[in-house]
Amino acid sequence: VQLLESGGGLVQPGGSLRLSCAASGFTFSNYAMSWVRQAPGKGLEWVSSLSGSGSRTYYADSVKGRFTISRDNFKNTLYLHMKSLRDEDTAVYYCAKEGSTTGCDYFDSWGQGTLVTVSS
Amino acid sequence: QLVLTQSPSASASLGASVKLTCTLSSGHISHVIAWHQQQPEKGPRYLMKLSSDGSHFKGDGIPDRFSGSSSGAERYLTISSLQSEDEADYYCQTWGTDIQVFGGGTKLTVL
Repeated sequence: VQLLESGGGLVQPGGSLRLSCAASGFTFSNYAMSWVRQAPGKGLEWVSSLSGSGSRTYYADSVKGRFTISRDNFKNTLYLHMKSLRDEDTAVYYCAKEGSTTGCDYFDSWGQGTLVTVSS
Repeated sequence: QLVLTQSPSASASLGASVKLTCTLSSGHISHVIAWHQQQPEKGPRYLMKLSSDGSHFKGDGIPDRFSGSSSGAERYLTISSLQSEDEADYYCQTWGTDIQVFGGGTKLTVL
């Protein structure tokens, strides 16, 4: 299993950014996928999950209404569209594979992360 | 509310054993959890899935030195024959309806 995140960078407060996670080594459409973030010096925080089919989405309260998770099962890619970004969204964002297709299950593989910095 | 509680830090000597604890909140003591390791400047790594009866399912390549056990609301990660590369942050994780939860993490120092 390989998960490779991209799309991070510096963005101003109120701005938008789209993260991508390219997956390989497994049947992508069979597994739910998630985004987890880690602010500098802090612990892991779950952000959002998406079922294998893409029909069910789950969001942490801290990002609900601002972030949108999606996937392209033909391109084996997971996305996170982030808007109305705030200083507190600054973090390394990790892509994680879940152990089942439905979502909200254990994470059995992780990417290396991409850094998002929200600052003026 | 589904909450996982971990001690912020732990330490043990090279070659010794250490037992890390993750405590489930009241009303959720039967939950399955997962343990993850995060070495400095790296992404997390899945260690194992651990059930309330102590049965566990380890990730690929996880050494036998890592084992899990359970008692009531407590979920344990035991690392034996500690090596320098075991110095890392360890997180427990669980899930509920429409939610994922992490513990605050335990920073393990190998002396």
